[in-house]
Amino acid sequence: GQNIDQPTEMTATEGAIVQINCTYQTSGFNGLFWYQQHAGEAPTFLSYNVLDGLEEKGRFSSFLSRSKGYSYLLLKELQMKDSASYLCAVMDSNYQLIWGAGTKLIIKP
Amino acid sequence: GAVVSQHPSWVICKSGTSVKIECRSLDFQATTMFWYRQFPKQSLMLMATSNEGSKATYEQGVEKDKFLINHASLTLSTLTVTSAHPEDSSFYICSARGGGGKETQYFGPGTRLLVL
Repeated sequence: GQNIDQPTEMTATEGAIVQINCTYQTSGFNGLFWYQQHAGEAPTFLSYNVLDGLEEKGRFSSFLSRSKGYSYLLLKELQMKDSASYLCAVMDSNYQLIWGAGTKLIIKP
Repeated sequence: GAVVSQHPSWVICKSGTSVKIECRSLDFQATTMFWYRQFPKQSLMLMATSNEGSKATYEQGVEKDKFLINHASLTLSTLTVTSAHPEDSSFYICSARGGGGKETQYFGPGTRLLVL
């Protein structure tokens, strides 16, 4: 079966760095996405990785290792507004998104 | 980036009535649109995938006669919840693919449905 695993909840301190991990097992692979979702709102696109390596975009970076079925989202210089759920999703061979359950990130002052 | 809108953003209705939710891609043509449902503190659950001009493909366990999907044009898809009941109360989110390439899905802001 297809499976996406990520931690349920993480806590970090304002100004610090946090890494949210995601492991996956899917039928085929056409890329991995990270989305941010604030409570009561729809997800917003953060990043897309299809090749191995690190993609940096401002305070957020995303890493992919296809051989290990592993990705992480790295958030630097954390701000209170970064408190949200972070969803990992993998696009399978049919170009369908398989969603993880999301990681709730709590930022403390 | 690509913009997807949804209307209405909030709807409260009586049990037994039908509710229509619209999803529009504003600045690109969406060859494929997706409808999701999300219950509180749970992840997104894909309900159905629709391609313009063809019938929607429903996920297992989703009643196609209850959740009617129409994707009549490249910029509009509608979801109609027929004979809504309190257990249908949820956050309904559409997404569209086609503007940023075959991979990226862009989400609408969601519609919160409350059935009394």
